[in-house]
Amino acid sequence: KQEVTQIPAALSVPEGENLVLNCSFTDSAIYNLQWFRQDPGKGLTSLLLIQSSQREQTSGRLNASLDKSSGRSTLYIAASQPGDSATYLCAALGTSGTYKYIFGTGTRLKVLA
Amino acid sequence: ETGVTQTPRHLVMGMTNKKSLKCEQHLGHNAMYWYKQSAKKPLELMFVYSLEERVENNSVPSRFSPECPNSSHLFLHLHTLQPEDSALYLCASSQENPTYTEAFFGQGTRLTVV
Repeated sequence: KQEVTQIPAALSVPEGENLVLNCSFTDSAIYNLQWFRQDPGKGLTSLLLIQSSQREQTSGRLNASLDKSSGRSTLYIAASQPGDSATYLCAALGTSGTYKYIFGTGTRLKVLA
Repeated sequence: ETGVTQTPRHLVMGMTNKKSLKCEQHLGHNAMYWYKQSAKKPLELMFVYSLEERVENNSVPSRFSPECPNSSHLFLHLHTLQPEDSALYLCASSQENPTYTEAFFGQGTRLTVV
């Protein structure tokens, strides 16, 4: 059974810092891994999708990497801004059974001005 | 705007009420999902519909009843709920092609059961 863990659970940093959010998964048989952002009381916004055959994806100040063999993905945020404050979630799409995304509990990020 | 629209955004209902949550996607996807998000818990998958057929029912109580009349619409019918069912209910859609299956979520319905 796939389990997804995110560390740290919460993070508070000053504006301008580069930071790394971690996601680990127990079953490496995945189609892809997706990173989402969630603002309080809102839905999820897709940030980056990494296919199982890829090592990383980039979008603006965001870079996500995937290491299937070690069961890890990282989300790198460069030059953080107060607008980046949100909860970041990763989800792994497994290859067994029906298509379903297994989510981690998220990292709650606060960027201080 | 993610292309997935949920209504209503907020719902307060008594334990004896019957209500329905609606989800509509404008992305041409063929799979739709219901997730429940409670405080301090990971998103819990409730139901998956693929090509309008239910392919996953994650041990959800029968007081939750999904309906997928076509590939663009998904409903969650609610009856005789409990206070612990209060949560954010999220709908998502994706395309059933493993190489390109990016999931898109709606804004959610905040449900409060009183």
